[in-house]
Amino acid sequence: AQTVTQSQPEMSVQEAETVTLSCTYDTSESNYYLFWYKQPPSRQMILVIRQEAYKQQNATENRFSVNFQKAAKSFSLEISDSQLGDTAMYFCAHGDSGAGSYQLTFGKGTKLSVIP
Amino acid sequence: NAGVTQTPKFRILKIGQSMTLQCTQDMNHNYMYWYRQDPGMGLKLIYYSVGAGITDKGEVPNGYNVSRSTTEDFPLRLELAAPSQTSVYFCASGGGDRGRRAYEQYFGPGTRLTVT
Repeated sequence: AQTVTQSQPEMSVQEAETVTLSCTYDTSESNYYLFWYKQPPSRQMILVIRQEAYKQQNATENRFSVNFQKAAKSFSLEISDSQLGDTAMYFCAHGDSGAGSYQLTFGKGTKLSVIP
Repeated sequence: NAGVTQTPKFRILKIGQSMTLQCTQDMNHNYMYWYRQDPGMGLKLIYYSVGAGITDKGEVPNGYNVSRSTTEDFPLRLELAAPSQTSVYFCASGGGDRGRRAYEQYFGPGTRLTVT
């Protein structure tokens, strides 16, 4: 079974600074997808960024970028120019095509606080 | 386009009662999922469906049942509610098609359920 580990339960960052959230995963598959989801206090799960394992280029979405190290099975999220609205839980997820179900396995999350 | 909708948003149940959590999506997605999120934890898969009439168990199916009679609806049934089922429940849908968006899941706003 796939596992996803987020080793930082909580983090804080000053507004306008850059922060990196860590994620490692375990899989026996060669082709898979990785995601970061944001969950603000409203509880809504919001897709932040996706990475396809067969692509070597790191994904970027505006202020969000990833550092994907396939051999190390590491998938960290970097948030630049942090804003108060970035305060949320962040979940790393691994996409598994097992039995054609396209399931996601989630980490336990990192609570990010942006400090004014 | 409402995306994924869930009802109710909140519910308090007494031990032994039953209820159905409703989930509807209007994106014509074949794949639908039910997750639960316990405090301080990531999301765990309860059940999923790859199309109308087809359902299968996820990681934590005990105490729950699902059905999928239409593409749009995927209700989750709790029979004989127990305190261990106190959680936030999320419904999600995904295209499940081969390709870059196969694993992307879109989430409903969640239902907070308390069993006392």
